[in-house]
Amino acid sequence: DVKVTQSSRYLVKRTGEKVFLECVQDMDHENMFWYRQDPGLGLRLIYFSYDVKMKEKGDIPEGYSVSREKKERFSLILESASTNQTSMYLCASSFGGEQGARGYTFGSGTRLTVV
Amino acid sequence: AQTVTQSQPEMSVQEAETVTLSCTYDTSESDYYLFWYKQPPSRQMILVIRQEAYKQQNATENRFSVNFQKAAKSFSLKISDSQLGDAAMYFCAYKVPSGTYKYIFGTGTRLKVLA
Repeated sequence: DVKVTQSSRYLVKRTGEKVFLECVQDMDHENMFWYRQDPGLGLRLIYFSYDVKMKEKGDIPEGYSVSREKKERFSLILESASTNQTSMYLCASSFGGEQGARGYTFGSGTRLTVV
Repeated sequence: AQTVTQSQPEMSVQEAETVTLSCTYDTSESDYYLFWYKQPPSRQMILVIRQEAYKQQNATENRFSVNFQKAAKSFSLKISDSQLGDAAMYFCAYKVPSGTYKYIFGTGTRLKVLA
């Protein structure tokens, strides 16, 4: 069964901590994405990557960075966590090129609380 | 700018009845893809149905069907014979075929199914 795995389901961190959210996919997808989901705002794109070591900013990249050293792994980094980063974080992946229109495969999400 | 609007934050339906969720979008493109995703309480987003804009025929997947009105830029989801397991957040999404990897999501509609 193909899947996208997010390392933590729930996470509680303190303000100012450096936080790592990990995402691994086993589908050999070229594209990987990090979204943030907040009530009433839907899904907002933080960063995406279309190849190893390649990344592009999404709509709300401030306060975040990413790393993609291997094709299957895409990490989201909160350099100095703040309370306004308390949210649900969703990782997704897709094929590249025209196959990218077949749809995303999502992970189960990480609910991050910053206190 | 391309946008996706879901004007119904919440809807309810009786078990075995039919419900329609609305989605409108704004684009100047002629070719694109539209999607409906389901996010149950377990959180993992699942692709429900996909529509290619150049196809006139409305997509159907078992009890799920769409009413795609290209001129009106409308893409509604009809769920027939609603079941308790249909209770979830439903997100409408849009993607152009090329030039960008990302999908644009609406803010979601929470569907409650009443026994």
